[in-house]
Amino acid sequence: QSVLTQPPSASGTPGQRVTISCSGSSSNIGSNYVYWYQHLPGTAPKLLIYRNDQRPSGVPDRFSGSKSGTSASLAISGLRSEDETDYYCAAWDDSLNGAVFGGGTKLTVL
Amino acid sequence: QVQLQESGPGLAKPSETLSLTCSVSGGSFSSYYWSWIRQPPGKGLVWIGYMYYSGSTNYNPSLKSRVTISVDTSKNQFSLKLSSVTAADTAVYYCARGNSGIYLDYWGQGTLVTVSS
Repeated sequence: QSVLTQPPSASGTPGQRVTISCSGSSSNIGSNYVYWYQHLPGTAPKLLIYRNDQRPSGVPDRFSGSKSGTSASLAISGLRSEDETDYYCAAWDDSLNGAVFGGGTKLTVL
Repeated sequence: QVQLQESGPGLAKPSETLSLTCSVSGGSFSSYYWSWIRQPPGKGLVWIGYMYYSGSTNYNPSLKSRVTISVDTSKNQFSLKLSSVTAADTAVYYCARGNSGIYLDYWGQGTLVTVSS
């Protein structure tokens, strides 16, 4: 059972906009930044969004992040086949004094 | 370009200590959080802990009694030791560089460690 809650799966068609949610609590998302990682199993995870809504250089602006209260979202617009992989949200948890990840969302491009 | 590469035995016996090393190239050790994360088969990412370049550490409370992370700046490496392993410790282990405990900007490719007799 992960501290941050994500839907196990999401899907969309090419060109569509999809959103992946991440729900936490006051001790993690509610009081700290949220990060999003893209992970193709067997490869190095990639930082997609940092500090709630910032994109590292090289990440397309099709990817965007937002946070409200104890929840956060990752939006992917103009969906492409290469977006089909796993996505994880993460945050620092003040109660645990440690980092926590969501359970991951597998995105399927139909 | 910063690169990280994990190395170590792919097999560990139950009750023994798992030891992995992460070699870092292309960057400085200063001002970063040198981190380990793992992914059990079919499951999500789990934060193990980090050592800040100054030497302070922070570990996942569920693993704290068994984990040691250390840094060797002379070799541009940092290491993970996990004692008293069981089958539940079977996972792909990733090393990563952090700008904070969870702001992980560079990752290694990961190495699978299987715990089995």
